[in-house]
Amino acid sequence: ETGVTQTPRHLVMGMTNKKSLKCEQHLGHNAMYWYKQSAKKPLELMFVYNFKEQTENNSVPSRFSPECPNSSHLFLHLHTLQPEDSALYLCASSQEPGHQSDEQFFGPGTRLTVL
Amino acid sequence: AQSVAQPEDQVNVAEGNPLTVKCTYSVSGNPYLFWYVQYPNRGLQFLLKYITGDNLVKGSYGFEAEFNKSQTSFHLKKPSALVSDSALYFCAAQDSGGSNYKLTFGKGTLLTVNP
Repeated sequence: ETGVTQTPRHLVMGMTNKKSLKCEQHLGHNAMYWYKQSAKKPLELMFVYNFKEQTENNSVPSRFSPECPNSSHLFLHLHTLQPEDSALYLCASSQEPGHQSDEQFFGPGTRLTVL
Repeated sequence: AQSVAQPEDQVNVAEGNPLTVKCTYSVSGNPYLFWYVQYPNRGLQFLLKYITGDNLVKGSYGFEAEFNKSQTSFHLKKPSALVSDSALYFCAAQDSGGSNYKLTFGKGTLLTVNP
């Protein structure tokens, strides 16, 4: 997964903490995505950014706040999370926003545990 | 609304035997269909996709998938399984006529190849 990197790989936080997840893609893509992966459930799309502009917010609670300063970087700011938010958070990118057949390239994910 | 079903949570096969991982989809228009694989502690990796044309699609690592429009299926196949193929497999669908970039994933199928 050298194309899309995510840090940290593991994160444990309390419900009152504030933390951020970072994603960087080295593929020259223009679209970036945040997904949530919980056990035995389909991947849930959270946010989509095209050319740094947010184009989709999939009814995500406001305790998750994305930021996309440029086409290569994507952040997910976390605050006052709940234990049910514990999951693997995956970042992905794709080449062109208008080319829907483009496959997405995924990072390794951040394993988040909320105590 | 589009949906993807992977009817088997788990598939077990012996090394050297053929494998099939099942997927059915529901989209309002013509589908783009994808298979991804996830190894432990890794992000999803693209295997293959169907956009248009030949119903039999060949992908990475000897995998192939057959698009069947009448059965709305896109089953993943490999003629001879390897122990290293053991992983979590995800089918995904996208509406080719849709205006967003939303990939809908199935819940995943855990493939175990026994030596």
